[in-house]
Amino acid sequence: AQSVAQPEDQVNVAEGNPLTVKCTYSVSGNPYLFWYVQYPNRGLQFLLKYITGDNLVKGSYGFEAEFNKSQTSFHLKKPSALVSDSALYFCAVREKINRLAFGKGNQVVVIP
Amino acid sequence: DAGVIQSPRHEVTEMGQEVTLRCKPISGHDYLFWYRQTMMRGLELLIYFNNNVPIDDSGMPEDRFSAKMPNASFSTLKIQPSEPRDSAVYFCASSFGAGGSSYEQYFGPGTRLTVT
Repeated sequence: AQSVAQPEDQVNVAEGNPLTVKCTYSVSGNPYLFWYVQYPNRGLQFLLKYITGDNLVKGSYGFEAEFNKSQTSFHLKKPSALVSDSALYFCAVREKINRLAFGKGNQVVVIP
Repeated sequence: DAGVIQSPRHEVTEMGQEVTLRCKPISGHDYLFWYRQTMMRGLELLIYFNNNVPIDDSGMPEDRFSAKMPNASFSTLKIQPSEPRDSAVYFCASSFGAGGSSYEQYFGPGTRLTVT
């Protein structure tokens, strides 16, 4: 079965410091990978995706993610975190056609 | 566009009562998804539709749950009878399927259901 793992429950980072949220995947075949963000009391919002092409994918709000096939990872990154980036971040993988499997989510806390 | 609209935003009901959650997808989107989010189980896909037709309902927990999509602009998720373990946030999401874009799903604000 296709799945993703987000090993950390919470990521704390000081404002202005680099932010990394980790995700590893397990798939058969070529992975379709995604990041979504959920702000408090809101639905999930799409950030970025990797389907094919460049390993470095750029998305919304200054976020980017690097696809690493040898390490089966798809970590989300932002060079300089903002307090407004505090949210729940979900990694996801295509499970079946038109169907996503989400990770458990990582709470990101950006400390002013 | 107003985005995906869900109603009600909050629902508190007693065990055994029928609950109906409603969703209006983004106009022009041909996929509609119903998810449930809990602390214990995370985000689970319950069912999804393509062009108003249910495609995969394998995530529907049991026969107490049913979902319909009578037209392209409206869907319902019904729980009858409701139980306390159904307490969760229920999200509706929609997407446009061409070229693999179906994976870029647009989520509604969710309905927080509490069954006492």
